[in-house]
Amino acid sequence: QKEVEQDPGPLSVPEGAIVSLNCTYSNSAFQYFMWYRQYSRKGPELLMYTYSSGNKEDGRFTAQVDKSSKYISLFIRDSQPSDSATYLCAMSTNQAGTALIFGKGTTLSVSS
Amino acid sequence: ETGVTQSPTHLIKTRGQQVTLRCSSQSGHNTVSWYQQALGQGPQFIFQYYREEENGRGNFPPRFSGLQFPNYSSELNVNALELDDSALYLCASSLGGSPLHFGNGTRLTVT
Repeated sequence: QKEVEQDPGPLSVPEGAIVSLNCTYSNSAFQYFMWYRQYSRKGPELLMYTYSSGNKEDGRFTAQVDKSSKYISLFIRDSQPSDSATYLCAMSTNQAGTALIFGKGTTLSVSS
Repeated sequence: ETGVTQSPTHLIKTRGQQVTLRCSSQSGHNTVSWYQQALGQGPQFIFQYYREEENGRGNFPPRFSGLQFPNYSSELNVNALELDDSALYLCASSLGGSPLHFGNGTRLTVT
């Protein structure tokens, strides 16, 4: 079993849809949870950062962490074609910037 | 604010050769990390440098080595290249324990 599992998709939705992206993990020591967006031929770009459990909202994006279920989610409201990218979840145990463990990434396509 | 910059953007090497990749950290960041991203996979942690010392390493062999310089720029060196080393190599910087900011990577092809 891999430490972090993420469905690679691809996921295709129409413009304006609500998108739900998820990751599960096995290491209960993870405390820092990140979502990165990666466009083709670019590096990952930090979208959301959450420490421990709970919800965090930033514009159209909401990140949720459920440590009891070892499950994290990213919701995108009113999806746009510009949201088409690969979304990577990442986690770490002692600091948000140290030794991140990434999922494989989910490829999202939003059609207009 | 200048982001993380990496050079070169693309590189082709032959099996058995050595390669050096370079990275300039985001302004004000004192920690630099390197990740390897194979096609269709998430990035994998190679190592991290803080104050010119390696202070964390992933599951990579010793032929992967690095340096951090006083201006916080960094190099990744890979010796005795293997075909499986073909990947996107990502440099990331941070300040203290803050989340990482990535560069756009160097695409290495080993033939």
